[in-house]
Amino acid sequence: KQEVTQIPAALSVPEGENLVLNCSFTDSAIYNLQWFRQDPGKGLTSLLLIQSSQREQTSGRLNASLDKSSGRSTLYIAASQPGDSATYLCAVLSNTGKLIFGQGTTLQVKP
Amino acid sequence: GAVVSQHPSWVICKSGTSVKIECRSLDFQATTMFWYRQFPKQSLMLMATSNEGSKATYEQGVEKDKFLINHASLTLSTLTVTSAHPEDSSFYICSARGLAGGLRQETQYFGPGTRLLVL
Repeated sequence: KQEVTQIPAALSVPEGENLVLNCSFTDSAIYNLQWFRQDPGKGLTSLLLIQSSQREQTSGRLNASLDKSSGRSTLYIAASQPGDSATYLCAVLSNTGKLIFGQGTTLQVKP
Repeated sequence: GAVVSQHPSWVICKSGTSVKIECRSLDFQATTMFWYRQFPKQSLMLMATSNEGSKATYEQGVEKDKFLINHASLTLSTLTVTSAHPEDSSFYICSARGLAGGLRQETQYFGPGTRLLVL
């Protein structure tokens, strides 16, 4: 059974810092891995999607990496801003066609 | 980008009543729709998967008679919480998978969620 774990559960940083969010999964047989952002009381916003054959994806200040063999992914946020404050969810698309989510990392960027 | 809508966005109801939540894919046909449930400060838990015209497949531990799912068309799925109780209060999020925006690969898109409060 696929399990997805995110560390840390919560993170508070001053504005301008670079930070890394971690995601690990137990079964390397995945189709892709996706990072989402969720603001309080809102739905999900897709940030980056990495196919299983890819190593990383970049969008603006965000960079996500994937090491399928070790079951790990990282989301790197450069020059963090208060507007980046949200919960970040990692999800893997398993070979059953289901998206399995991690518990999320709640990020607070202080001005 | 592809849009998935949910209605209502929030609902408050009395214990024992039934509540229906609609999920629509607005600009693409969804081959598969998913329903998730999220408790406060927790992650999304998949409740069921449905394909148009067929019965939904429920995850282990999800009561199919309590959470009725109907996937009547390629753009509409409904979740009905029957005889709702306070413990059913949660954030329900639907998701639709299909080909949208000229993409060659199916992508899963998420709705904005419906917050249910059962008194």
